[in-house]
Amino acid sequence: DQQVKQNSPSLSVQEGRISILNCDYTNSMFDYFLWYKKYPAEGPTFLISISSIKDKNEDGRFTVFLNKSAKHLSLHIVPSQPGDSAVYFCAASAKQGAQKLVFGQGTRLTINP
Amino acid sequence: ETGVTQSPTHLIKTRGQQVTLRCSSQSGHNTVSWYQQALGQGPQFIFQYYREEENGRGNFPPRFSGLQFPNYSSELNVNALELDDSALYLCASSSGLSGAGVSPLHFGNGTRLTVT
Repeated sequence: DQQVKQNSPSLSVQEGRISILNCDYTNSMFDYFLWYKKYPAEGPTFLISISSIKDKNEDGRFTVFLNKSAKHLSLHIVPSQPGDSAVYFCAASAKQGAQKLVFGQGTRLTINP
Repeated sequence: ETGVTQSPTHLIKTRGQQVTLRCSSQSGHNTVSWYQQALGQGPQFIFQYYREEENGRGNFPPRFSGLQFPNYSSELNVNALELDDSALYLCASSSGLSGAGVSPLHFGNGTRLTVT
């Protein structure tokens, strides 16, 4: 039972344009959502998070949107840069600070020059 | 600030053997958790430790066990290895169990385990 789903295994975007990564979840108990970025041979690195009491959180070029009624969140990166090429994981937890995160399968983002 | 470090980086074992993976938490972090990432999948929660006690477990059999030491470093032990145990094992730490302002999980670079 995949509680967090990232339906696009890969995404290719031109440098300077917007990258939009999507994530769906099924468990209504999830209260806190995070995005992690992973380069090859490295562990996941925290990018941005959002609590269920908000619908948007912004940090520089990264914005996460949460639609609770649709159980959907998205990560927007604008403008996209070559260094953004990585695998992006969406994750969810029952509360902020919880050690148990439920991850999606990941989306490989490639930024083309 | 020292990040999460894991050893070894790579390991090859034979089916039926036992393995121990090690993790040093990020400085100031007292909570550690372990994740298994199979090829092409997202990380899956194995268990977490807080103050040297297991404090939550995912859907993994008892042959997956762990320890947390007074200095907050940790070990993951897997007995009777199976081929499907081949994966990247990630250790993560944070500064507490819950509450506002708690940092998100910080991951190490993982140990790549291959079972033949």
